[in-house]
Amino acid sequence: GENVEQHPSTLSVQEGDSAVIKCTYSDSASNYFPWYKQELGKGPQLIIDIRSNVGEKKDQRIAVTLNKTAKHFSLHITETQPEDSAVYFCAAPSNQAGTALIFGKGTTLSVSS
Amino acid sequence: GAGVSQTPSNKVTEKGKYVELRCDPISGHTALYWYRQSLGQGPEFLIYFQGTGAADDSGLPNDRFFAVRPEGSVSTLKIQRTERGDSAVYLCASSPSNDSPLHFGNGTRLTVT
Repeated sequence: GENVEQHPSTLSVQEGDSAVIKCTYSDSASNYFPWYKQELGKGPQLIIDIRSNVGEKKDQRIAVTLNKTAKHFSLHITETQPEDSAVYFCAAPSNQAGTALIFGKGTTLSVSS
Repeated sequence: GAGVSQTPSNKVTEKGKYVELRCDPISGHTALYWYRQSLGQGPEFLIYFQGTGAADDSGLPNDRFFAVRPEGSVSTLKIQRTERGDSAVYLCASSPSNDSPLHFGNGTRLTVT
């Protein structure tokens, strides 16, 4: 089945810097890659997603890149702000459990002002 | 509009007891998912419903766990003979179809003493 690895587990940046989080997946048939942001006491919230027919997608300060050959995708946050501090999760389709997503272990991002 | 609602938000129970966790999905969403999240980990898939039927229950850890969705809307996750290892946040998510992003609730924090 699908296996998703996420790095780094923690990331500390200064306000205004960029942050990059990387994920690798194992199933070459996977075609949908979302990123979720989770704040303390809340459920994960979708922030951006990409399908396998494109290599990059951007939404204001957030972008996701996908390399299908290497089976990895990355989240890029530019001009970070303190409110970006949260846990970020990448995910990929199980392909064995219907359309359920398999999540990485998460990255705790801390943005200091 | 209203998001995914989960009740209770917190549940403390004694080892060996039975518990029920409820999920009210977004109105009209046909797909419903249950996940479990342990501290410092990503959400772990439990079961997926398409309408009233469990399309895949491969993530349920053992036969103490069971979920229903009798009318294709509200779902209940049932745990029998709870164990301390069942302590976690149980997340519910819904989506309008099996090819759409997941919308998560804020979860039920279950503590088994």
